[in-house]
Amino acid sequence: QQQVKQSPQSLIVQKGGISIINCAYENTAFDYFPWYQQFPGKGPALLIAIRPDVSEKKEGRFTISFNKSAKQFSLHIMDSQPGDSATYFCAASMGGGGSNYKLTFGKGTLLTVNP
Amino acid sequence: KAGVTQTPRYLIKTRGQQVTLSCSPISGHRSVSWYQQTPGQGLQFLFEYFSETQRNKGNFPGRFSGRQFSNSRSEMNVSTLELGDSALYLCASSFAGAGYEQYFGPGTRLTVT
Repeated sequence: QQQVKQSPQSLIVQKGGISIINCAYENTAFDYFPWYQQFPGKGPALLIAIRPDVSEKKEGRFTISFNKSAKQFSLHIMDSQPGDSATYFCAASMGGGGSNYKLTFGKGTLLTVNP
Repeated sequence: KAGVTQTPRYLIKTRGQQVTLSCSPISGHRSVSWYQQTPGQGLQFLFEYFSETQRNKGNFPGRFSGRQFSNSRSEMNVSTLELGDSALYLCASSFAGAGYEQYFGPGTRLTVT
């Protein structure tokens, strides 16, 4: 059972454009939603994360939008640059003392930003 | 602060052998998690340790095991290797667990022939 569904599988954006990646989750007990960026040959790097008590969080060109009622969250990359070309993963976990202690990942989105 | 380190970075083993991978977390982090990454299955959770105790285990066969030492360093072991165990094995460290910022190492690329 895939608990976090990510789309699209791949995305091509022109330099300067907005990249949008979407994720949907099923388990309402999830309360921590991070996004990771992974370059070939590297481990995933934490980009930005959000908890359900806020609907949006922005860090530089990266913004997470969160819709608790729809059980969806998305990553927006503004002014996309060729250096942003990487695979992006959304994830979810039950933290804060829950018994889950693991991240459940989406399948990933391969982003290509053309110059 | 030094990041998460994993050794070795690359490993080639033969089917039936066993392998031990090592992970050193960020200083001060007591939680270490292990994940397997493959093109087909993506990132899958193996297990998580906190203060030398396994708190959660993923849906992997008993051939996969791990442990954590008093200095928070962790090892994972895979016995009786199968071709399907070829993957990137990632270690992640966190102050308190997956509900907090979790930082990944570069991974160990295991190839089973």
